[in-house]
Amino acid sequence: KAGVTQTPRYLIKTRGQQVTLSCSPISGHRSVSWYQQTPGQGLQFLFEYFSETQRNKGNFPGRFSGRQFSNSRSEMNVSTLELGDSALYLCASSLGDRDINEKLFFGSGTQLSVL
Amino acid sequence: GNSVTQMEGPVTLSEEAFLTINCTYTATGYPSLFWYVQYPGEGLQLLLKATKADDKGSNKGFEATYRKETTSFHLEKGSVQVSDSAVYFCALRNKLGGGADGLTFGKGTHLIIQP
Repeated sequence: KAGVTQTPRYLIKTRGQQVTLSCSPISGHRSVSWYQQTPGQGLQFLFEYFSETQRNKGNFPGRFSGRQFSNSRSEMNVSTLELGDSALYLCASSLGDRDINEKLFFGSGTQLSVL
Repeated sequence: GNSVTQMEGPVTLSEEAFLTINCTYTATGYPSLFWYVQYPGEGLQLLLKATKADDKGSNKGFEATYRKETTSFHLEKGSVQVSDSAVYFCALRNKLGGGADGLTFGKGTHLIIQP
C-alpha cells in the first residue's frame, strides 16, 4: 500500500511569488491535514480537509489556503510569499473519523525556500 | 489554549544508556498524548500514544505514561541504540466541537546516540 506522497520534494521561490504544494493521501483515506515545520516555531497545524471541505483551521494568515479534490488529493497554496514562509510543509492523511486517537500518516514533506 | 513543552537538546548519549525526554503539556479537557519520531529525510512516524490518565504507551522499547496530576508524558527507554538517533516530538490532540483539533506539537528533541 503506497504511503502519503508529497510533491515536489524541494521548491525555491522568491518573495512575492505564490506556490502550490500537492499531497496524495493513502488510498481510502478521506482526511488530509497540513503542518508547517520551522526551526523557530516547530510544527504548527495549518488546516484539515475532509470530503473537499475545510473542517478545521489553525492560526495562519489568509495567504495560506488549500483545497481537496474528489479523489481526496489535496493542494496547499501560499500567496505573496515572505521569507518567513521558508519551511518544511508536511501533510498527513487519515480515514477522517473525527477521533482524537485516529492514527495520522505523514508524508516526507516539501521543503520550501523563499529567497 | 493547548501547548506542549519539551527539552530541545540536542541530547547526546552513549549506546546502551538510559534515556528520558521530558514533556509537559497544557490543555483543557482530556486530550490524547503522543510521541512522534522523525528520522533524517523521512516524515513523522507515530511512536506511541496514551489516551487517558495513567495509560502507558509503549513501542520498540520506548515507554511513556500519561500523568494528569503533573501534566506530563515523559519518554523513556532503558537502553538506547545508535539507530534511535532521530528527532522526537511530544504532541497532544484535543477535542474540538464534535470532532478533533489538529495536533499540537512540542519543538522537538534531537537525540544523538554515539557508539
